[in-house]
Amino acid sequence: QVQLQESGPGLVKPSETLSLTCTVSGGSISNYYWTWIRQPPGKKLEWIGNIYYSGSTNYNPSLKSRVTISVDTSKNQSSLKLDSVTAADTAVYYCARGAGWLPESWGQGTLVTVSS
Amino acid sequence: EIVLTQSPGTLSLSPGDRVTLSCRASQSVRSNYLAWYQRKPGQAPRILIYGASSRAAGIPDRLSGSGSGTDFTLTISRLEPEDSAVYYCQQYGSSPLTFGGGTKVEIK
Repeated sequence: QVQLQESGPGLVKPSETLSLTCTVSGGSISNYYWTWIRQPPGKKLEWIGNIYYSGSTNYNPSLKSRVTISVDTSKNQSSLKLDSVTAADTAVYYCARGAGWLPESWGQGTLVTVSS
Repeated sequence: EIVLTQSPGTLSLSPGDRVTLSCRASQSVRSNYLAWYQRKPGQAPRILIYGASSRAAGIPDRLSGSGSGTDFTLTISRLEPEDSAVYYCQQYGSSPLTFGGGTKVEIK
């Protein structure tokens, strides 16, 4: 059964870049969509965007100017970069996998706090 | 973007009860691409239902999804203690994908 694990710094300073990695075990990164989702404290889940293993990306317009999602098939990883973060970017960040745009298998999530 | 509104916000029920969760969309969900997820503390969210009414692998048949267009429902026919969780609906028919605010189900 595929397992996804998010990793990265739990604390990021304002104006810096948030960088997270999703490592996949028990399955291939190929032939799937890889999605990033976040949930700020007390707010709704928010779709950040997705990437097909071949590299085609789709982003939420609300974040598009600041976000980059990538895949590294050699490492079986997907990565998320979010530029110029503010306190509003404090959230639990999830990665997920799906055969299509539907996120089917999720990681447990990782909390990222933006604070000086 | 499509706004999803879930109701109620919280439910407190007893084992064996029947529970109905509602998810209403601000506009019609294309091809009824509506999914339901369950999230428990410290665990990865688990997909329960996709395409409004198709159960994901391993989901017991006491959970069922229904609805179309803008009104969708998740029903748990006989509540069990393990069903204590937050349930989310999500539409994946239009970009950006969007989620409801969640319904928390508590077991008495």
